[in-house]
Amino acid sequence: SQKIEQNSEALNIQEGKTATLTCNYTNYSPAYLQWYRQDPGRGPVFLLLIRENEKEKRKERLKVTFDTTLKQSLFHITASQPADSATYLCGVNTGFQKLVFGTGTRLLVSP
Amino acid sequence: EADIYQTPRYLVIGTGKKITLECSQTMGHDKMYWYQQDPGMELHLIHYSYGVNSTEKGDLSSESTVSRIRTEHFPLTLESARPSHTSQYLCASSGADRGRNNEQFFGPGTRLTVL
Repeated sequence: SQKIEQNSEALNIQEGKTATLTCNYTNYSPAYLQWYRQDPGRGPVFLLLIRENEKEKRKERLKVTFDTTLKQSLFHITASQPADSATYLCGVNTGFQKLVFGTGTRLLVSP
Repeated sequence: EADIYQTPRYLVIGTGKKITLECSQTMGHDKMYWYQQDPGMELHLIHYSYGVNSTEKGDLSSESTVSRIRTEHFPLTLESARPSHTSQYLCASSGADRGRNNEQFFGPGTRLTVL
């Protein structure tokens, strides 16, 4: 069956460390993959997109990698801050601007 | 800040009532989506539209219906609400005129509770 898997357990890290979140997918061949941030009670907010022909994409403290052989994307936040605490969603493209999302990983950054 | 709006933000109604959840965007996006999300769970696509007079069912079966008569407006209707419809409903839009990354812009959501 087709599915998107993200770390189901919350990720707790200390401020200043690098957070690494994982997104694995099966039975999809996405043209691109996106990462979103969702805060409690609010809609997701887009962070980064990485295309199938890209290995890595960076934006400020964020870095995303995409391995189409492993069917995996890694999302990194360097120099993490308490304000980075949120749930991060991986969205896999399944057709013309359609996405299938994982359950998300909750990140908690402690001061 | 995304220019996509949903009303109401919260709705508590009794079983059997007909409801319409409103979604509007001012970005001129041609594509719009409705997702359903339960607490701690993934977003499930229930409806989408590629433009005016275009509507498609999503990956998750839903008893709701949608319409797209105007570009900016994509309302969702439940003819007879049931407790199983209790959930958070999120509307989103995307388009070529903004968002080179094909990102979806989400509204704040409607939290629906059916008693």
